[in-house]
Formats: sequence, structure tokens, C-alpha cells
Amino acid sequence: ETGVTQTPRHLVMGMTNKKSLKCEQHLGHNAMYWYKQSAKKPLELMFVYNFKEQTENNSVPSRFSPECPNSSHLFLHLHTLQPEDSALYLCASSQELAETQYFGPGTRLLVL
Amino acid sequence: AQTVTQSQPEMSVQEAETVTLSCTYDTSESDYYLFWYKQPPSRQMILVIRQEAYKQQNATENRFSVNFQKAAKSFSLKISDSQLGDAAMYFCAYRRGGSYIPTFGRGTSLIVHP
Repeated sequence: ETGVTQTPRHLVMGMTNKKSLKCEQHLGHNAMYWYKQSAKKPLELMFVYNFKEQTENNSVPSRFSPECPNSSHLFLHLHTLQPEDSALYLCASSQELAETQYFGPGTRLLVL
Repeated sequence: AQTVTQSQPEMSVQEAETVTLSCTYDTSESDYYLFWYKQPPSRQMILVIRQEAYKQQNATENRFSVNFQKAAKSFSLKISDSQLGDAAMYFCAYRRGGSYIPTFGRGTSLIVHP
């Protein structure tokens, strides 16, 4: 279960704060993903990167800003979030796009 | 648009017994993949089993097996000899062939009683 790691595991932030979530994969994969998991809702795909290039932005508000400096690292920069953004944010990676995705443990975010 | 339905929000099973989690999906595609993921309380989502639509043989991974009924668009997960460690949320997912965007169901919470 250490193939995809995420930090921090828990985060509490105010609506005016700026914070970043980090994801790192040790699997040699080329594609990385951000998902949002809210209670009683299906997983929502947010962003997709392939070879460091963003290939998907699923109509995500601009207060979420992804960054992929290399194929092993993915960040999600957060600023001026809303309480409804509180959720579990999951990172995943796959060898190539359209291949099986492997997930990290997630960051539990609470916006006050 | 594809949809994935897990009609059982919660299921219970006695340790060592067998339980089946249901999943149905809606698609007009012929080339697709189906997945079951397990998310234990620690929250790391783990792939349990994967099925290619073109394969008639049901996928099996140790105590986990699927009943893939393509015509009925049904993809149930059977867990045999249930163990306490099987307690988790189970998510069914669909992905069209050539697409990298999966569609997930809402999940089924499995409780295992000792």
C-alpha cells in the first residue's frame, strides 16, 4: 500500500487559507489523477495528468489549482475554499491513461 | 452517459460465510472494463478485481469472484469465507474501452460480524 502516498493525511483550514496537498507515486506510472470523495456521493474525477500534461479538468472551480512538476509528483493547491469543499481527496496513478488506477490513502480536508 | 448503480448501501455477513454485492451499469458500448475496489477504514482504495467485457469467463482473485452478466449489465462481487478484514466500503466502477475516466457507484458498506 505504499505505491501512492499522500500528505498530509488530515487538514483543517479556514476559508481564507492557502494550502497544498501532495501526492507521490513510486510505481513508475505516467498518469496521475485527483478525485474528490464526498459522503454518500460517487467519486468525482477532478484532474488528469499524463506525462506531466493536464489532459482533463472536470469543470473544477479555480480555487483548486493542480500542479504536476514530473510524472511522480502531483499537487493540489487550495485557496479560498468553501465549507462544501470538505471531503476526502484521493490521488491515483496508472501506468498509462486508460489502464488500471492505483489509489493513495487520501487527504481528509475540513474547511471551516 | 454511463451510470453505475449499487443498490445496497450496506450489507452484513457472518465471518466465514459468503456474501454477494450487487452492481448494475448502463452503457451502449461493447468495449469496456468493470472493477471492484475496496476501501477499508484506513481509506486506501485497493483494486479487488477487474473484468474485461470481451471475456466471458468470470474473473476470480482468491476468495473474490464476480458474476458478470453482460446482457443483463450486471457485475456482482462474491466474497467467500468472509474475514473480519473484508469489512470496508466496496465500489463498483465502469470504464469505457479507450477512455481513462471511470464511473463509480456510490458504494456498499460491508460489515463482517465475528
